Amino acid sequence: DAGVTQSPTHLIKTRGQQVTLRCSPISGHKSVSWYQQVLGQGPQFIFQYYEKEERGRGNFPDRFSARQFPNYSSELNVNALLLGDSALYLCASSPDGSLAETQYFGPGTRLLVL
Amino acid sequence: AQSVTQPDIHITVSEGASLELRCNYSYGATPYLFWYVQSPGQGLQLLLKYFSGDTLVQGIKGFEAEFKRSQSSFNLRKPSVHWSDAAEYFCAVGATGGFKTIFGAGTRLFVKA
Repeated sequence: DAGVTQSPTHLIKTRGQQVTLRCSPISGHKSVSWYQQVLGQGPQFIFQYYEKEERGRGNFPDRFSARQFPNYSSELNVNALLLGDSALYLCASSPDGSLAETQYFGPGTRLLVL
Repeated sequence: AQSVTQPDIHITVSEGASLELRCNYSYGATPYLFWYVQSPGQGLQLLLKYFSGDTLVQGIKGFEAEFKRSQSSFNLRKPSVHWSDAAEYFCAVGATGGFKTIFGAGTRLFVKA
Protein backbone atom coordinates (compact mmCIF):
# COMPACT_ATOMS: atom_id res chain seq x y z
CA ASP A 1 0.00 0.00 0.00
CA ALA A 2 1.15 3.52 -0.69
CA GLY A 3 2.07 5.65 2.27
CA VAL A 4 1.11 9.25 2.87
CA THR A 5 1.98 11.37 -0.14
CA GLN A 6 2.50 15.11 -0.26
CA SER A 7 2.92 17.54 -3.13
CA PRO A 8 4.85 19.43 -4.13
CA THR A 9 8.11 18.29 -2.54
CA HIS A 10 9.68 21.74 -2.70
CA LEU A 11 8.29 25.20 -3.25
CA ILE A 12 9.71 28.71 -3.43
CA LYS A 13 7.40 31.69 -2.90
CA THR A 14 7.73 35.40 -2.33
CA ARG A 15 6.50 37.31 0.71
CA GLY A 16 2.83 38.18 0.42
CA GLN A 17 1.99 35.32 -1.93
CA GLN A 18 -0.34 32.45 -1.22
CA VAL A 19 0.49 28.74 -1.25
CA THR A 20 -1.47 25.49 -1.32
CA LEU A 21 0.02 22.22 -0.13
CA ARG A 22 -1.60 18.86 -0.77
CA CYS A 23 -1.75 15.59 1.14
CA SER A 24 -3.14 12.17 0.30
CA PRO A 25 -3.62 9.88 3.30
CA ILE A 26 -3.14 6.16 3.46
CA SER A 27 -6.11 4.33 1.99
CA GLY A 28 -8.76 3.81 4.65
CA HIS A 29 -7.51 6.61 6.89
CA LYS A 30 -10.12 9.27 7.57
CA SER A 31 -8.02 11.73 9.55
CA VAL A 32 -5.30 14.09 8.40
CA SER A 33 -3.14 16.31 10.60
CA TRP A 34 -0.82 19.09 9.48
CA TYR A 35 2.42 20.10 11.20
CA GLN A 36 4.96 22.86 10.61
CA GLN A 37 8.61 22.03 11.27
CA VAL A 38 10.93 25.01 11.29
CA LEU A 39 14.60 24.20 10.82
CA GLY A 40 16.15 23.02 14.07
CA GLN A 41 12.84 22.53 15.85
CA GLY A 42 10.29 19.81 16.36
CA PRO A 43 7.03 19.69 14.41
CA GLN A 44 4.25 22.00 15.61
CA PHE A 45 0.61 21.00 15.30
CA ILE A 46 -1.42 23.18 12.92
CA PHE A 47 -4.69 21.36 12.22
CA GLN A 48 -6.44 18.04 12.41
CA TYR A 49 -9.32 17.07 10.16
CA TYR A 50 -11.54 14.05 10.57
CA GLU A 51 -14.40 13.14 8.29
CA LYS A 52 -14.03 16.53 6.55
CA GLU A 53 -14.51 18.48 9.79
CA GLU A 54 -11.84 20.48 11.61
CA ARG A 55 -11.29 18.77 14.93
CA GLY A 56 -8.59 21.02 16.33
CA ARG A 57 -6.27 23.88 15.59
CA GLY A 58 -2.88 24.79 16.97
CA ASN A 59 -1.58 28.26 17.77
CA PHE A 60 -1.38 29.55 14.21
CA PRO A 61 -2.83 32.74 12.70
CA ASP A 62 -5.90 32.82 10.49
CA ARG A 63 -3.61 33.05 7.45
CA PHE A 64 -3.40 29.28 7.79
CA SER A 65 -6.44 27.33 6.66
CA ALA A 66 -7.15 23.80 5.52
CA ARG A 67 -9.85 21.56 4.23
CA GLN A 68 -10.49 17.88 3.72
CA PHE A 69 -12.19 16.44 0.70
CA PRO A 70 -14.67 13.53 0.42
CA ASN A 71 -11.79 11.20 -0.54
CA TYR A 72 -10.06 12.29 2.72
CA SER A 73 -7.22 14.08 0.96
CA SER A 74 -6.42 17.49 2.34
CA GLU A 75 -5.09 20.89 1.39
CA LEU A 76 -3.27 23.37 3.57
CA ASN A 77 -3.45 27.00 2.46
CA VAL A 78 -1.27 29.79 3.72
CA ASN A 79 -2.06 33.39 2.72
CA ALA A 80 0.10 36.50 2.87
CA LEU A 81 3.28 34.52 3.28
CA LEU A 82 5.94 35.75 5.69
CA LEU A 83 9.61 34.87 5.79
CA GLY A 84 8.93 32.98 9.01
CA ASP A 85 6.60 30.60 7.18
CA SER A 86 9.64 28.96 5.62
CA ALA A 87 9.55 25.42 6.96
CA LEU A 88 8.92 21.75 6.26
CA TYR A 89 5.19 21.10 6.27
CA LEU A 90 4.29 17.59 7.31
CA CYS A 91 1.06 15.75 6.84
CA ALA A 92 0.10 12.73 8.93
CA SER A 93 -2.79 10.35 8.51
CA SER A 94 -4.43 7.88 10.86
CA PRO A 95 -7.65 5.87 10.89
CA ASP A 96 -9.59 8.13 13.23
CA GLY A 97 -7.21 10.80 14.47
CA SER A 98 -7.03 9.57 18.02
CA LEU A 99 -3.60 9.32 19.59
CA ALA A 100 -4.27 5.67 20.35
CA GLU A 101 -3.84 5.08 16.63
CA THR A 102 -0.44 5.39 14.96
CA GLN A 103 0.07 8.51 12.89
CA TYR A 104 1.85 7.95 9.59
CA PHE A 105 3.79 10.92 8.28
CA GLY A 106 4.46 11.92 4.72
CA PRO A 107 7.87 13.12 3.51
CA GLY A 108 6.80 16.75 3.74
CA THR A 109 6.76 19.82 1.55
CA ARG A 110 9.67 22.18 2.01
CA LEU A 111 8.55 25.78 1.60
CA LEU A 112 10.99 28.62 1.18
CA VAL A 113 9.67 32.18 1.36
CA LEU A 114 11.93 34.86 -0.08
CA ALA B 1 -0.09 23.09 29.35
CA GLN B 2 1.70 20.11 27.93
CA SER B 3 5.36 20.45 27.05
CA VAL B 4 8.31 18.26 26.16
CA THR B 5 11.97 18.90 26.89
CA GLN B 6 14.82 17.10 25.22
CA PRO B 7 17.88 18.40 27.07
CA ASP B 8 20.46 17.22 24.55
CA ILE B 9 20.57 19.02 21.21
CA HIS B 10 23.00 16.47 19.83
CA ILE B 11 24.75 13.32 21.01
CA THR B 12 27.67 11.41 19.51
CA VAL B 13 28.18 7.72 20.26
CA SER B 14 30.50 5.10 18.85
CA GLU B 15 29.07 2.31 16.76
CA GLY B 16 28.30 -0.63 19.02
CA ALA B 17 28.01 1.52 22.13
CA SER B 18 24.82 1.92 24.13
CA LEU B 19 22.55 4.92 23.72
CA GLU B 20 20.19 6.84 25.98
CA LEU B 21 18.25 9.87 24.79
CA ARG B 22 16.55 11.91 27.47
CA CYS B 23 13.01 13.23 27.46
CA ASN B 24 11.07 15.07 30.17
CA TYR B 25 7.45 16.03 29.85
CA SER B 26 5.01 18.26 31.63
CA TYR B 27 1.41 17.12 31.91
CA GLY B 28 -1.16 16.89 34.68
CA ALA B 29 -2.04 13.26 34.22
CA THR B 30 -0.48 10.26 32.54
CA PRO B 31 -0.10 11.29 28.93
CA TYR B 32 0.40 9.37 25.76
CA LEU B 33 4.16 9.34 25.09
CA PHE B 34 5.94 8.74 21.82
CA TRP B 35 9.37 8.55 20.27
CA TYR B 36 9.80 9.31 16.56
CA VAL B 37 12.85 9.18 14.31
CA GLN B 38 13.46 11.44 11.32
CA SER B 39 16.16 10.59 8.83
CA PRO B 40 17.39 13.15 6.29
CA GLY B 41 14.85 13.65 3.54
CA GLN B 42 12.33 11.37 5.17
CA GLY B 43 9.20 11.84 7.20
CA LEU B 44 8.80 10.98 10.84
CA GLN B 45 8.59 7.31 11.77
CA LEU B 46 7.12 6.07 15.04
CA LEU B 47 9.62 4.06 17.09
CA LEU B 48 7.39 3.29 20.07
CA LYS B 49 4.57 4.61 22.20
CA TYR B 50 3.32 4.36 25.78
CA PHE B 51 -0.27 4.67 26.89
CA SER B 52 -0.52 2.60 30.06
CA GLY B 53 0.57 -0.68 31.63
CA ASP B 54 4.14 -1.94 31.59
CA THR B 55 6.43 1.06 31.95
CA LEU B 56 9.12 -0.51 29.76
CA VAL B 57 8.06 -0.29 26.14
CA GLN B 58 9.68 -2.13 23.26
CA GLY B 59 9.77 -0.57 19.83
CA ILE B 60 11.08 -1.14 16.36
CA LYS B 61 14.76 -1.27 15.36
CA GLY B 62 15.80 -2.55 18.80
CA PHE B 63 14.77 0.57 20.70
CA GLU B 64 13.06 0.64 24.09
CA ALA B 65 11.86 3.38 26.41
CA GLU B 66 10.99 3.52 30.07
CA PHE B 67 8.23 5.65 31.54
CA LYS B 68 9.08 7.02 34.98
CA ARG B 69 6.14 8.89 36.45
CA SER B 70 8.10 10.16 39.48
CA GLN B 71 10.65 11.80 37.21
CA SER B 72 8.24 12.78 34.41
CA SER B 73 10.65 11.12 32.03
CA PHE B 74 10.44 8.83 29.03
CA ASN B 75 14.02 8.08 28.01
CA LEU B 76 14.85 6.15 24.85
CA ARG B 77 17.53 3.46 24.93
CA LYS B 78 19.30 1.08 22.62
CA PRO B 79 21.95 -1.40 23.78
CA SER B 80 24.10 -1.28 20.65
CA VAL B 81 23.97 1.54 18.12
CA HIS B 82 24.43 0.98 14.40
CA TRP B 83 25.67 3.59 11.93
CA SER B 84 22.22 3.58 10.33
CA ASP B 85 20.73 4.92 13.59
CA ALA B 86 22.21 8.35 12.89
CA ALA B 87 19.16 10.61 12.64
CA GLU B 88 17.06 13.14 14.55
CA TYR B 89 14.97 11.75 17.39
CA PHE B 90 11.84 13.42 18.71
CA CYS B 91 9.99 12.76 21.93
CA ALA B 92 6.32 13.71 21.88
CA VAL B 93 3.37 13.86 24.26
CA GLY B 94 -0.36 13.86 23.80
CA ALA B 95 -3.34 14.18 26.08
CA THR B 96 -5.21 11.00 26.92
CA GLY B 97 -8.24 10.90 24.65
CA GLY B 98 -6.92 13.84 22.66
CA PHE B 99 -5.69 14.27 19.13
CA LYS B 100 -2.91 16.85 19.36
CA THR B 101 0.73 15.78 19.61
CA ILE B 102 3.32 18.09 21.17
CA PHE B 103 6.88 17.45 20.01
CA GLY B 104 10.17 18.23 21.68
CA ALA B 105 12.91 20.11 19.83
CA GLY B 106 14.71 16.88 18.98
CA THR B 107 18.10 15.30 19.62
CA ARG B 108 20.40 14.71 16.70
CA LEU B 109 22.36 11.47 17.00
CA PHE B 110 25.76 11.13 15.37
CA VAL B 111 27.38 7.70 15.18
CA LYS B 112 31.14 7.46 14.81
CA ALA B 113 32.95 4.42 13.47
